[in-house]
Amino acid sequence: QVTLKESGPGILQPSQTLSLTCTFSGFSLSTYGMGVGWIRQPSGKGLEWLANIWWDDDKYYNPSLKNRLTISKDTSNNQAFLKITNVDTADTATYYCARMFRAYYFDYWGQGVMVTVSS
Amino acid sequence: DIQMTQSPASLSASLGETVSIECLASEDIYNNLAWYQQKPGKSPQLLIYYASSLQDGVPSRFSGSGSGTQYSLKINSLESEDAATYFCLQDSEYPPTFGAGTKLELK
Repeated sequence: QVTLKESGPGILQPSQTLSLTCTFSGFSLSTYGMGVGWIRQPSGKGLEWLANIWWDDDKYYNPSLKNRLTISKDTSNNQAFLKITNVDTADTATYYCARMFRAYYFDYWGQGVMVTVSS
Repeated sequence: DIQMTQSPASLSASLGETVSIECLASEDIYNNLAWYQQKPGKSPQLLIYYASSLQDGVPSRFSGSGSGTQYSLKINSLESEDAATYFCLQDSEYPPTFGAGTKLELK
């Protein structure tokens, strides 16, 4: 059974760094073709892809945010991470992690974690 | 970036009806299109991938079609549980991009 769960700080202040963790089970990020992505959704709005990381440590970032994003993984502990630097109120959203397997679409999603940026 | 134009933005239909939602890509995405259903407060659920392949466990009243730049999701015999927002996703090239969503309301 594939499950993913995001965790994060809940609230942070402008200019801080947002650190998110995706803890998953039912698959391994060391398996050929496996990947994890991060997607966010401001309340009542659409979905925005942020970054992907693959089993071979290949990484892709949304160009509109690339300089602020860092994606990484800890294969032995079944976790993936996303850091967003210099946050502002526009980064307020629900953040999801999701799995990809031998494809570029997301087949399993976590429940999401809400992040609020406020002074 | 490939732009995904999704229509309509909202839709109201009755139980038992059939509805269609469209996504138009700004360039050919070679059937690399997925459809998702999202209910309030929940994460998106994959319905269709590669434009027309039904994800395991998804009812057969959902179907996808299209090619090139034009794709559609069809829902037959609407049930109350189908009330949700539907999104398309192109995964043909980076960055993957989503349609703006279609909110389906059941009368």
